[in-house]
Amino acid sequence: EAQVTQNPRYLITVTGKKLTVTCSQNMNHEYMSWYRQDPGLGLRQIYYSMNVEVTDKGDVPEGYKVSRKEKRNFPLILESPSPNQTSLYFCASRQTGLTDTQYFGPGTRLTVL
Amino acid sequence: GESVGLHLPTLSVQEGDNSIINCAYSNSASDYFIWYKQESGKGPQFIIDIRSNMDKRQGQRVTVLLNKTVKHLSLQIAATQPGDSAVYFCAERDGGATNKLIFGTGTLLAVQP
Repeated sequence: EAQVTQNPRYLITVTGKKLTVTCSQNMNHEYMSWYRQDPGLGLRQIYYSMNVEVTDKGDVPEGYKVSRKEKRNFPLILESPSPNQTSLYFCASRQTGLTDTQYFGPGTRLTVL
Repeated sequence: GESVGLHLPTLSVQEGDNSIINCAYSNSASDYFIWYKQESGKGPQFIIDIRSNMDKRQGQRVTVLLNKTVKHLSLQIAATQPGDSAVYFCAERDGGATNKLIFGTGTLLAVQP
């Protein structure tokens, strides 16, 4: 089954404690993204990667890092989380072309105390 | 469920009626448009897409209309069912090098039995 998986699904942590949210896709997609979703603001792109070892900032990259060492994995790293990073996070992947269907993971609800 | 639905415009319809959800997009250079459905506690799910060289596309019970003159996109759902209750997002793809997807904030569709 084609899918994007994220772990953990729920996480409560404290300010300053480094964390990683993993993301994996099994569709051999080149393009992967991380979004955060906040009430009234819709989905905002944090970082994206157009291929292995190629990453770039999205609209709201501050406080986040990513890496793309393999095609299937695209972890999101918060080196020093702060309460304003409390949000719902989605990983997504797509194969860009004339049309492209973006597949989303199930989401990670992060609370930073 | 997740708080995605807060602060969103809401469309309330009776089961069996047709629903029309509207979206205004911003970039006249956008070349591709997508509608997503997001149920409570889940990631966005692809519904239907349309390229900018078309003005209408039909799927199963859904139709997307594109009016490039006024930069307007709509999603029509025929014979709305309780399972259609969700938040619906439109997205536009930047026709430039990044192929970035820009998401609307969404509309909450509430189907009354």
